[in-house]
Amino acid sequence: KQEVTQIPAALSVPEGENLVLNCSFTDSAIYNLQWFRQDPGKGLTSLLLIQSSQREQTSGRLNASLDKSSGRSTLYIAASQPGDSATYLCAVIGAFNKFYFGSGTKLNVKP
Amino acid sequence: SAVISQKPSRDICQRGTSLTIQCQVDSQVTMMFWYRQQPGQSLTLIATANQGSEATYESGFVIDKFPISRPNLTFSTLTVSNMSPEDSSIYLCSVENGAGGFFGPGTRLTVL
Repeated sequence: KQEVTQIPAALSVPEGENLVLNCSFTDSAIYNLQWFRQDPGKGLTSLLLIQSSQREQTSGRLNASLDKSSGRSTLYIAASQPGDSATYLCAVIGAFNKFYFGSGTKLNVKP
Repeated sequence: SAVISQKPSRDICQRGTSLTIQCQVDSQVTMMFWYRQQPGQSLTLIATANQGSEATYESGFVIDKFPISRPNLTFSTLTVSNMSPEDSSIYLCSVENGAGGFFGPGTRLTVL
């Protein structure tokens, strides 16, 4: 069964710092990997989708990488802002479009 | 992209009662998914709902507790039956259309 782990569980940084969130998964037979953000009491907002044939995707200050063979993905956030404070979820997409989620990294960016 | 709406957005229910959650998608999709997010935890897949066939449940979830309907390609319902406080969670529906997963805003359920 696919297991997804996210490290760290929580992270607090001052505004302006660059930071990296880590995601690892046990079964490399994935179709895609997707990063989401979740604000308190809200649903999920898609940030980046990386298809299994891709190595990375970029959107604005966000860059996500994927190394299928080692079962790892990272989400890089440049020049963090207080508005980036949220929980970041990594999900791998397996057969039958099932999503397997990590437990999330709770990010706090201090002004 | 896909736009997903859910009703109700939140509810407070008594133990032993049932609640039906509705999910509407703005486009036709083959599969819809229902997830549960217990307090402080990540999302767990409950079942996959296909139009015209019975839902497929994940380990630990059964049809008697979480009956699902899928009457057409844009709509699904999840019922949480005979509720107990342990069912207090956020319930989310989602679709995947090749451009990634899209999730509804969730239904926050509190069982007293």
